[in-house]
Amino acid sequence: AQKITQTQPGMFVQEKEAVTLDCTYDTSDPSYGLFWYKQPSSGEMIFLIYQGSYDQQNATEGRYSLNFQKARKSANLVISASQLGDSAMYFCAMREGDMEYGNKLVFGAGTILRVKS
Amino acid sequence: NAGVTQTPKFQVLKTGQSMTLQCAQDMNHEYMSWYRQDPGMGLRLIHYSVGAGITDQGEVPNGYNVSRSTTEDFPLRLLSAAPSQTSVYFCASSYGSSYNSPLHFGNGTRLTVT
Repeated sequence: AQKITQTQPGMFVQEKEAVTLDCTYDTSDPSYGLFWYKQPSSGEMIFLIYQGSYDQQNATEGRYSLNFQKARKSANLVISASQLGDSAMYFCAMREGDMEYGNKLVFGAGTILRVKS
Repeated sequence: NAGVTQTPKFQVLKTGQSMTLQCAQDMNHEYMSWYRQDPGMGLRLIHYSVGAGITDQGEVPNGYNVSRSTTEDFPLRLLSAAPSQTSVYFCASSYGSSYNSPLHFGNGTRLTVT
């Protein structure tokens, strides 16, 4: 079964507007972390933001925020005031498990975001 | 601080050839891993290591070997390349493998098998 689902293969947003990229996850483990990565056309993977399962507040990092709805098992990325440089592939990922070692990071299929001027 | 360094950046192989993708990190990270990225499939875990001398299989390990003789290095070996192994390969590391540890990625190796 899919652990991470990103239902939007591609999204367009107008420059300076906000955009939400969807991510749902599946786990029965009480301890897990959710991560978002950005992959620009140059190919590198850039870590954007992290949300832990025990965190009471939504994570924020500059223009990035994570809308964490635990009961719905969703962890949507919100980008405010979009910029042309935000055009990229965005991946949602989850790392689950209480083990001290060996917890693996599992990725969704990604969403391509295009920012229009 | 170089972070995670992968070599080469590009490689073309013929079917049946072997090669090693190199990965080194200078952050003293215990956890290292290899992913492959294919269109529409996200990143899939090939092998990972939780420390020197300890490796384990991920989701798609067939056709690949790894070893971890030092904390810094985690090479990925293709024993007999096949066209299905055409992909972009990423090495990634984290300080630990707790659920709250983000992975730090290298810049990737684009491999084509003809």
